[in-house]
Amino acid sequence: GQQLNQSPQSMFIQEGEDVSMNCTSSSIFNTWLWYKQDPGEGPVLLIALYKAGELTSNGRLTAQFGITRKDSFLNISASIPSDVGIYFCAGLNAGNNRKLIWGLGTSLAVNP
Amino acid sequence: DSGVTQTPKHLITATGQRVTLRCSPRSGDLSVYWYQQSLDQGLQFLIQYYNGEERAKGNILERFSAQQFPDLHSELNLSSLELGDSALYFCASSVGTGSGYTFGSGTRLTVV
Repeated sequence: GQQLNQSPQSMFIQEGEDVSMNCTSSSIFNTWLWYKQDPGEGPVLLIALYKAGELTSNGRLTAQFGITRKDSFLNISASIPSDVGIYFCAGLNAGNNRKLIWGLGTSLAVNP
Repeated sequence: DSGVTQTPKHLITATGQRVTLRCSPRSGDLSVYWYQQSLDQGLQFLIQYYNGEERAKGNILERFSAQQFPDLHSELNLSSLELGDSALYFCASSVGTGSGYTFGSGTRLTVV
């Protein structure tokens, strides 16, 4: 099925560093969602974006809805060990078939 | 607690057997989604129900089936199990069909 291009696939950083990851699509989306999955748990919604150009923050997390409506990025500032996990982007397409399309995830490891 | 309840949390069964996974959506949510996540894989959408009716189908095998009951809980039935069916199975719910999901904590199925 259709999937988003999410990059990087994995990251290994030092505590305190900033992190950036992004998702791109060949299709237009009218909603972008960012989720985090801790090991053995279900994904948890971090940020939802509903308008092109929208920039939304949730604590140390900031996400933006690309103006072309085909991409989104997530930044994490001053990373801490509990940021470890898999981050997924998901886009809701703008057509009649309103399906949520998922990226394959970015696995983040933080070295204390 | 996300409000989405999945049972059982763990399940170990033999090849060829049949199992049923259960999901109770968050109060007020009408849509239920089932996802499969294999080791180191992204989320594979299986099927969606909205208010008791099948709304969308993803990469669901013919050996798998699901239903949503009048009280809105849902069951995913997996039959003729194979080793490759070992995975985390997540249920998610949402109010409608075009919004972000809330995930349960998953059922880890191991087929031996």
